[in-house]
Amino acid sequence: GDSVTQMEGPVTLSEEAFLTINCTYTATGYPSLFWYVQYPGEGLQLLLKATKADDKGSNKGFEATYRKETTSFHLEKGSVQVSDSAVYFCALSYTGTASKLTFGTGTRLQVTL
Amino acid sequence: GAVVSQHPSWVICKSGTSVKIECRSLDFQATTMFWYRQFPKQSLMLMATSNEGSKATYEQGVEKDKFLINHASLTLSTLTVTSAHPEDSSFYICSAQRDLFTGELFFGEGSRLTVL
Repeated sequence: GDSVTQMEGPVTLSEEAFLTINCTYTATGYPSLFWYVQYPGEGLQLLLKATKADDKGSNKGFEATYRKETTSFHLEKGSVQVSDSAVYFCALSYTGTASKLTFGTGTRLQVTL
Repeated sequence: GAVVSQHPSWVICKSGTSVKIECRSLDFQATTMFWYRQFPKQSLMLMATSNEGSKATYEQGVEKDKFLINHASLTLSTLTVTSAHPEDSSFYICSAQRDLFTGELFFGEGSRLTVL
């Protein structure tokens, strides 16, 4: 079956540091890939997405590239802020049908001054 | 963007009572909605897929008689936790799919249930 593997957290960074959160997937088909973010006390929000190989999703300074050859979708940001502190979830689903998301376990990011 | 709203956002109830959580898609119609449960510091666990006008599809290990799901219209799905016990305390999240092409889901803000 399909699965998503994320690096374990928590990840603690100083403000303005470079961020990478690794995500790899196993899929039987050709899924869309997503990063969701969950701020404290809130529901999940879509951060970015990519629907096919070599697509780059980007939003709010975050970006991730759909790498079919390495089955990866690593999240990066050049300079994190304290407000980026949250839990980040990598996920996949399939297009063309109402399909459930398969989530990774989530990675907690803590950014300090 | 698309908006999905849950109500209530938090609820406290006594053991043995039933609690209903609503999930509404405010600006689009959702044939399918999903209910997740999130334990502290853990990922989301899919509980069931809610299909408008038909019975929900439950994931393995989820008690369908305990977690009743009704999807009466294209904009509303409800989750009822029956005869709640303290171990049912959790964060329940719904999501809805607007665009079948991208597979993207829109999530409600979640409902925190505490059973005393």
